[in-house]
Amino acid sequence: EAGVVQSPRYKIIEKKQPVAFWCNPISGHNTLYWYLQNLGQGPELLIRYENEEAVDDSQLPKDRFSAERLKGVDSTLKIQPAELGDSAVYLCASSLATSGGAQEQFFGPGTRLTVL
Amino acid sequence: GESVGLHLPTLSVQEGDNSIINCAYSNSASDYFIWYKQESGKGPQFIIDIRSNMDKRQGQRVTVLLNKTVKHLSLQIAATQPGDSAVYFCAENEGNFNKFYFGSGTKLNVKP
Repeated sequence: EAGVVQSPRYKIIEKKQPVAFWCNPISGHNTLYWYLQNLGQGPELLIRYENEEAVDDSQLPKDRFSAERLKGVDSTLKIQPAELGDSAVYLCASSLATSGGAQEQFFGPGTRLTVL
Repeated sequence: GESVGLHLPTLSVQEGDNSIINCAYSNSASDYFIWYKQESGKGPQFIIDIRSNMDKRQGQRVTVLLNKTVKHLSLQIAATQPGDSAVYFCAENEGNFNKFYFGSGTKLNVKP
């Protein structure tokens, strides 16, 4: 079974340029997460989807970040314009949410963004 | 947000020894916990989980212990191998919110 797929794996852009990351979750997983991870730190949630609905985007900097999961499967995270401080690893994760509580969450390999 | 922290940022052990990685959490309502292993350049890899109705859970060479009284979680790795070298994170989740909070991680160095 394929895991969480992310692309690209690496991206280098100049500040003020736009950038987009793509994620395909594990088949059947209804919950999708986007995290930001700075060096030496744990992942920090940016946005969480349940199916196509963004149920938690409180940590998403909405002035420059946007995300979508139109068909409740794959998702795109966009930054426009990028700033130097956005350099980080962007992780996508998915899980199968049930009424029985939180379930195992699996991560993709991440996209390492460098803003010059 | 929630506070999940690790006592030791770096742990060095000899190959073959047992490793213990600790994690403290602050939300007494958290009822589901996951340990992740993250190797350089890779995403976090699920190792083992535990729910709050349990005190201990065992996997292959790994054991997670949960002490709800002091809000403490530990990961024990038996017969540590060089391939275990990585950063380990604990993550907590409260109720049905499906929202996880991560600590800053502990780096495990296994010396041959």
